[in-house]
Amino acid sequence: AQSVTQPDIHITVSEGASLELRCNYSYGATPYLFWYVQSPGQGLQLLLKYFSGDTLVQGIKGFEAEFKRSQSSFNLRKPSVHWSDAAEYFCAGEAAGNKLTFGGGTRVLVKP
Amino acid sequence: DAGITQSPRHKVTETGTPVTLRCHQTENHRYMYWYRQDPGHGLRLIHYSYGVKDTDKGEVSDGYSVSRSKTEDFLLTLESATSSQTSVYFCAISEGSGGRHNEQFFGPGTRLTVL
Repeated sequence: AQSVTQPDIHITVSEGASLELRCNYSYGATPYLFWYVQSPGQGLQLLLKYFSGDTLVQGIKGFEAEFKRSQSSFNLRKPSVHWSDAAEYFCAGEAAGNKLTFGGGTRVLVKP
Repeated sequence: DAGITQSPRHKVTETGTPVTLRCHQTENHRYMYWYRQDPGHGLRLIHYSYGVKDTDKGEVSDGYSVSRSKTEDFLLTLESATSSQTSVYFCAISEGSGGRHNEQFFGPGTRLTVL
């Protein structure tokens, strides 16, 4: 069965420090991959997406993600976090049929 | 922001009552989706639509039905609400024409409480 796993439920990071969120996928073929962010009480906003080609993808708000086929991973990174990055982050994959499968989410807390 | 609205934004209801949530889009996108969000589960697909009157089930469709009589509107109905359906419900849309047009845009959500 297709699945997306985010191993970390919570991550706490100091403002200005780097951030990496993990995402692993299990699909028969390489899926399209997405990262979304959800601020408290809000809907989901697309940060970045991977369809094919360059395995390092740049997104909005200074985020990037790297697709690694050998590790079935699509980890999200940011070199220096801001207090406004405190939110919940979701990784999602789409194999076929225009349907997304989401990971359970990682909640990021930013310490001043 | 993509033109997606959901109504109502908040609703409290009692077990056994019918509930209908509405999603309205102004983007003329072909695909529309209903998800529920619960802690630890991320978002799970309830039902989706790939055109007017064309719908299909997602992974958690039991207890839910949908209808799409117009491109812009997608309704989610709980025929007889249960406490397990207390959740936040999100509508999403996508062009669905493949590749880079497959990204989904999300509405603001509806918080439903079933007492």
